[in-house]
Parts: sequence; structure tokens; C-alpha cells
Amino acid sequence: GESVGLHLPTLSVQEGDNSIINCAYSNSASDYFIWYKQESGKGPQFIIDIRSNMDKRQGQRVTVLLNKTVKHLSLQIAATQPGDSAVYFCAEAGDAGGTSYGKLTFGQGTILTVHP
Amino acid sequence: DADVTQTPRNRITKTGKRIMLECSQTKGHDRMYWYRQDPGLGLQLIYYSFDVKDINKGEISDGYSVSRQAQAKFSLSLESAIPNQTALYFCATSDHMPGTGAKNEQFFGPGTRLTVL
Repeated sequence: GESVGLHLPTLSVQEGDNSIINCAYSNSASDYFIWYKQESGKGPQFIIDIRSNMDKRQGQRVTVLLNKTVKHLSLQIAATQPGDSAVYFCAEAGDAGGTSYGKLTFGQGTILTVHP
Repeated sequence: DADVTQTPRNRITKTGKRIMLECSQTKGHDRMYWYRQDPGLGLQLIYYSFDVKDINKGEISDGYSVSRQAQAKFSLSLESAIPNQTALYFCATSDHMPGTGAKNEQFFGPGTRLTVL
């Protein structure tokens, strides 16, 4: 069945370092992937997304990489700052036109802690 | 003003009580969702609605019901609350953009923390 999971539940980095958060998914029909950031006491906030026809997408200080061969997704944060400390979730959506289209399946989450 | 609002933000109730959590959005989106989040876990989909006349069960719908009163409003009810329904509940919305290029980004409310004693 569909599942999205994360390799590491926690990640601690020093301010200024680059962070890499990983995610594995099992549904080969997944068409769309999103990374969300959730700060304490708040709802998840969109960071970046990528479609299955892409391998890489860059945003401001963030890059998402998609490896469809091994069903792996990663989020890279450059020059990590204390304000980046949060829980990061990957989520996947089923294939467009399929019955799961429009629904997101979330992974467990990774807690990122950035030390000054 | 927040685009997706949830009321109440916090609620403590007793086992067996009926509870309603409300969600309103000003984004004009057709699609609305209710998720549950437990400590150390990701979000699990309870119910979702793709338009006013559409209601669908998610992964964990047992013990919950929903009502889509209008495009902008989607409420979640616990008919008889039990302690293992203690969790953080999130409402989300997304736009309907048909076609293979459509995005599925969902916009989340601030959450409702529910405690069932």
C-alpha cells in the first residue's frame, strides 16, 4: 500500500551548515511530492514541491531532489539558521486521475534542531 | 487575517461527550480536509471533501463525522469522544486545478488541540 517514511527522526546541525532531510516512498504511481515545515504550535507550511517528471527543484535556500529509481526524496537546506528549527514532513499525492488524486499522504516527520 | 481558521484552538472534554471542531476558509478553495496528528507521528487524513456535495472517508474515519455546510466551512464531529482521540487536529484546503499539471498544495489552519479525559 501507499506509505511515506523518513530515515531519520531527528537531525541536529550547527548554524551555517547545510542540512539534508530524507524521505522514502513506496507508491511508484506517486505524481507529486511536497515538503512541509511545522513550527511548534502551528500548522504545516509549504516549503517546496516537485512533480514526478523532475529530478531537482530549487527554491530560496532549499532544494528538493527526487530519485524515482529508488523512490527517495530529499530536502536540502543551505546555510541552516536557527529559524529553520522545526519538524519537516514530506508528503506525496497519488497519480493525477487516480482515485487518490488530491489527497496527501504524510511521512512521520524529522525534527531539525539548529544550534547557534 | 488568517486564510484558514479553526475553532476552538484548545478544548478539554470528557469521555462520551459530543464535540464539534469548526474550520472556515477565505481562500475560495473547493477542497477541504481534516487531519489528525499524534505526537511523533505525521498527519493522518480523517475526512476530505472536494466540493460542497462531496464527502469522502480518509485513513482513520471511524469515530468521526463531518459536515460541509458551505464552500468555506467544513466541520468535524466526534459523536462520543474517547481518550485515544486526544490529538492535534488540522483543517486544510486546496484548490481544484484539473489537468496533469495541477498542484496539490494544501494550506493548513493553526490546529485544534483536543484532550479527552
